[in-house]
Amino acid sequence: GENVEQHPSTLSVQEGDSAVIKCTYSDSASNYFPWYKQELGKRPQLIIDIRSNVGEKKDQRIAVTLNKTAKHFSLHITETQPEDSAVYFCAARGSNSGYALNFGKGTSLLVTP
Amino acid sequence: DVKVTQSSRYLVKRTGEKVFLECVQDMDHENMFWYRQDPGLGLRLIYFSYDVKMKEKGDIPEGYSVSREKKERFSLILESASTNQTSMYLCASSVSGTGVSEAFFGQGTRLTVV
Repeated sequence: GENVEQHPSTLSVQEGDSAVIKCTYSDSASNYFPWYKQELGKRPQLIIDIRSNVGEKKDQRIAVTLNKTAKHFSLHITETQPEDSAVYFCAARGSNSGYALNFGKGTSLLVTP
Repeated sequence: DVKVTQSSRYLVKRTGEKVFLECVQDMDHENMFWYRQDPGLGLRLIYFSYDVKMKEKGDIPEGYSVSREKKERFSLILESASTNQTSMYLCASSVSGTGVSEAFFGQGTRLTVV
């Protein structure tokens, strides 16, 4: 099945700096790549996603890039704020898993004032 | 607003007990999923269902079964609970169709097996 690797596992940045989280996937037929944010004690919530026919997508301070050839995708957060502190998960929808998402192990982001 | 509701926020069960975790969604989604979340391991797929009475094994189905008798409800069953099944369990649902398919999560059930 689909295997998603996520790095780094922890990331600490100062407020105002940028943060980048990277993921790789194994199934070249994967076609959907969402990013979820999970605040402490809360459920994961979608923050941005990208389909395989698009190379980049941006929504205010967050952006996602996809390199299908290299099978990797990245989350970019600019002008980080303390409320960006959370665990971020990347995911990929493989070709043999129906609509199920395979998740990376998560990145714990800490934004210090 | 999509609502995915899990029946319990916290559960404590004894080793060997049969445990039922219930999940209900109110948006007529075809797909429903059960994930297990452990520190450092992310979200791992246990089972999913794309239609009533249909089920598919995920990455870690051992020790679990599921039931989907109605479209809105997806149950996770631990036939004989063991301490290594102590974890946070997350249910999710999504709509079928081409293109993007956001998964909406429930609030989670923290299960402790003693």
